[in-house]
Amino acid sequence: DAGVIQSPRHEVTEMGQEVTLRCKPISGHNSLFWYRQTMMRGLELLIYFNNNVPIDDSGMPEDRFSAKMPNASFSTLKIQPSEPRDSAVYFCASSLLAGGPKGEQFFGPGTRLTVL
Amino acid sequence: DAKTTQPPSMDCAEGRAANLPCNHSTISGNEYVYWYRQIHSQGPQYIIHGLKNNETNEMASLIITEDRKSSTLILPHATLRDTAVYYCIAVNSGYALNFGKGTSLLVTP
Repeated sequence: DAGVIQSPRHEVTEMGQEVTLRCKPISGHNSLFWYRQTMMRGLELLIYFNNNVPIDDSGMPEDRFSAKMPNASFSTLKIQPSEPRDSAVYFCASSLLAGGPKGEQFFGPGTRLTVL
Repeated sequence: DAKTTQPPSMDCAEGRAANLPCNHSTISGNEYVYWYRQIHSQGPQYIIHGLKNNETNEMASLIITEDRKSSTLILPHATLRDTAVYYCIAVNSGYALNFGKGTSLLVTP
């Protein structure tokens, strides 16, 4: 398996533009997570899907952020409009089960977003 | 989930065992101890996890004290590629991983 795939790996955009980050989880995994990492706040969970259904989006910063999972093999995280404070590395992770004895999460390489 | 406490940084000579401690004195009976690491500029990588018993896999060993209030991750023969930030996380049936600040391990030649 190729692991979790994220695209693009790097994104540079201007304030006010729409940004879409993409993730393909490991085949067979039914849980998908979006995280954001900054120097100030470390790694933060933004949203968690189970069987394509959003379960917890309490970590989503504000209405400018939205995430979808139209099927088991694809998810998007969209920021509209983007702001400089959104600059961070965004990670997608998937797992077979969420938590417990089989809850290990497998992370993608991340998307480094820079908003000018 | 229980709070975990780790030293901010550690050094280890290449080829020696790296022993990374973690305190989780308030851990509950159904919480697992998970270890992840993050090599610079990469996504976090799962290492190992356990509940009560010691565990070993191809990457590391996990030693959990009998009272489960602390644990130690052991990298038996550290290499330069093991230089990373190591996170100890207590997780129950929930899914949220609180990565905290972790331990920055530097393996030196």
